Amino acid sequence: GAGVSQSPSNKVTEKGKDVELRCDPISGHTALYWYRQRLGQGLEFLIYFQGNSAPDKSGLPSDRFSAERTGESVSTLTIQRTQQEDSAVYLCASSLSWLAGGHRNIQYFGAGTRLSVL
Amino acid sequence: SQELEQSPQSLIVQEGKNLTINCTSSKTLYGLYWYKQKYGEGLIFLMMLQKGGEEKSHEKITAKLDEKKQQSSLHITASQPSHAGIYLCGADNTGGFKTIFGAGTRLFVKA
Repeated sequence: GAGVSQSPSNKVTEKGKDVELRCDPISGHTALYWYRQRLGQGLEFLIYFQGNSAPDKSGLPSDRFSAERTGESVSTLTIQRTQQEDSAVYLCASSLSWLAGGHRNIQYFGAGTRLSVL
Repeated sequence: SQELEQSPQSLIVQEGKNLTINCTSSKTLYGLYWYKQKYGEGLIFLMMLQKGGEEKSHEKITAKLDEKKQQSSLHITASQPSHAGIYLCGADNTGGFKTIFGAGTRLFVKA
């Protein structure tokens, strides 16, 4: 696609429910990243994918969070048994490559999914 | 671990005025990115700097990376309401693979 697409744009859920957030990266981008942004705060790195492999999962806040990616395309971030503290905007980004440095590493972001846990 | 500190945290300027936002790293910067975010939207890539002393411009926005590669500044000339938003700097984490971000600078432009 032309840009990174995230769905849904907004999600309201009840505490304890599971949610799935979806990200469609730019076609041809091998690297994909998930971030969390709480209200008024900066970006918190969650996880990144090299292709469909996630070498570093240390940013995931708890074992209620998981993510997967199919090939070099769609990724889903799943939050189980949601808590009110999970309320935030979840941003996805993709880049041509995961190698450090150079224009191939520039991340392009989707508009985010705003999650509200009641 | 590497950290990025942005200053000021927020800024209110009169339309037409110039302004500067700073991003300071605790370690040498190997790649520095500037993004802009409007409320309810994702981040829009503005510029990338890699070399010490490098300077890039896009329309009325200029970004510089200092010679020692530990600080970058973003300068907006003759600010307009369309410049309002949150400006974030990001840097390639030492060792690669992960980009870290500053907390952002909130810019308000009064018409």
